[in-house]
Amino acid sequence: AQSVTQPDIHITVSEGASLELRCNYSYGATPYLFWYVQSPGQGLQLLLKYFSGDTLVQGIKGFEAEFKRSQSSFNLRKPSVHWSDAAEYFCAVGTTSGTYKYIFGTGTRLKVLA
Amino acid sequence: DSGVTQTPKHLITATGQRVTLRCSPRSGDLSVYWYQQSLDQGLQFLIQYYNGEERAKGNILERFSAQQFPDLHSELNLSSLELGDSALYFCASSPRGGSYNEQFFGPGTRLTVL
Repeated sequence: AQSVTQPDIHITVSEGASLELRCNYSYGATPYLFWYVQSPGQGLQLLLKYFSGDTLVQGIKGFEAEFKRSQSSFNLRKPSVHWSDAAEYFCAVGTTSGTYKYIFGTGTRLKVLA
Repeated sequence: DSGVTQTPKHLITATGQRVTLRCSPRSGDLSVYWYQQSLDQGLQFLIQYYNGEERAKGNILERFSAQQFPDLHSELNLSSLELGDSALYFCASSPRGGSYNEQFFGPGTRLTVL
């Protein structure tokens, strides 16, 4: 069965430090891959997405993610975190064949220390 | 602002009652998705409509139902409410129905069942 795993429930980093949020998926083919961010009291907003082609994708707010097929991973990175990045981050996969499915991970809550 | 609107913002009701949540998608979007977000279950996909017809079903309880109207707005009906139905309910929309689509999320309706 398809699944998405975000192994880190909480991550705390200092402002200016680099960030990597992990996402692993289970799917028989290459899925459509997404990262969303949810600020407190808000809906989710798309940061970036991967469908095919270059495995390193750039998104909004200085985020990037790298698709690694061999590891079934799609980790999100940012070289220098800002206090405004404190939020919850969700990885999601969309199936590319068969019955429609759009599955979200359980989320990683990011805390940024000043 | 994603362009997706949801009403009401907050809803407090009692067990056994029935409520209706409303969603207006972004202008031009044909697909509407409903999600339930709770602390213990995370973000769960409930149901998707595309141009008035049900497209996909997720973890939606039989006590819940939804529809999409000719003007493309959607309603989620929750009946025989239980304490465990307390959650944040999100509506999202996308231009088409495929799982490659970015979804635009509304601000959510917070349902509290007492």
